[in-house]
Amino acid sequence: GESVGLHLPTLSVQEGDNSIINCAYSNSASDYFIWYKQESGKGPQFIIDIRSNMDKRQGQRVTVLLNKTVKHLSLQIAATQPGDSAVYFCAENDAGANSKLTFGKGITLSVRP
Amino acid sequence: DSGVTQTPKHLITATGQRVTLRCSPRSGDLSVYWYQQSLDQGLQFLIQYYNGEERAKGNILERFSAQQFPDLHSELNLSSLELGDSALYFCASSVGGLAGDEQYFGPGTRLTVT
Repeated sequence: GESVGLHLPTLSVQEGDNSIINCAYSNSASDYFIWYKQESGKGPQFIIDIRSNMDKRQGQRVTVLLNKTVKHLSLQIAATQPGDSAVYFCAENDAGANSKLTFGKGITLSVRP
Repeated sequence: DSGVTQTPKHLITATGQRVTLRCSPRSGDLSVYWYQQSLDQGLQFLIQYYNGEERAKGNILERFSAQQFPDLHSELNLSSLELGDSALYFCASSVGGLAGDEQYFGPGTRLTVT
């Protein structure tokens, strides 16, 4: 598959453990946040989103936490599986501006069997 | 499979040339977005179209242009190509063109400029 980034930070976790991926965003006016997963050779895939009027949102095996005070977003993956190995991106949007998404640099999640 | 298709999958061309990348959005989606993903810049928004009209512009070079056709497919034209234009180019689509609309990404076109 194609490499999407050779210089991304890497988080290595044991299969079955919980993973926490962090992201600092820059625009205090951003009011919509999304986590994307990108597997090798594929486009980004939506995981979960959260709006600025919430501080936590849960999906299937994933939870997103938003701390607007320190402009921090995190993605928690429960019982990490080998299929979770990918690059994860956070993205932010300022709805008052336009629908453009600003992506973070990305973090590689590597799951050890 | 997101339902967004992009062609070609790979493209190799020389500096100074011009190429056209094509995107077909998911059925029913009116908005198309173009992104560039390079090793040093990450994922960068280029431009958005909604129902044939330009809606938002990002870090798109003047050498690059795009359009969305009446059948809603979109093309990204890259001209006077430089080595630094080598990247993955993604198209995404959404139902509307509003912030908060989930964007579905295509598989990308890998452009290599030699």
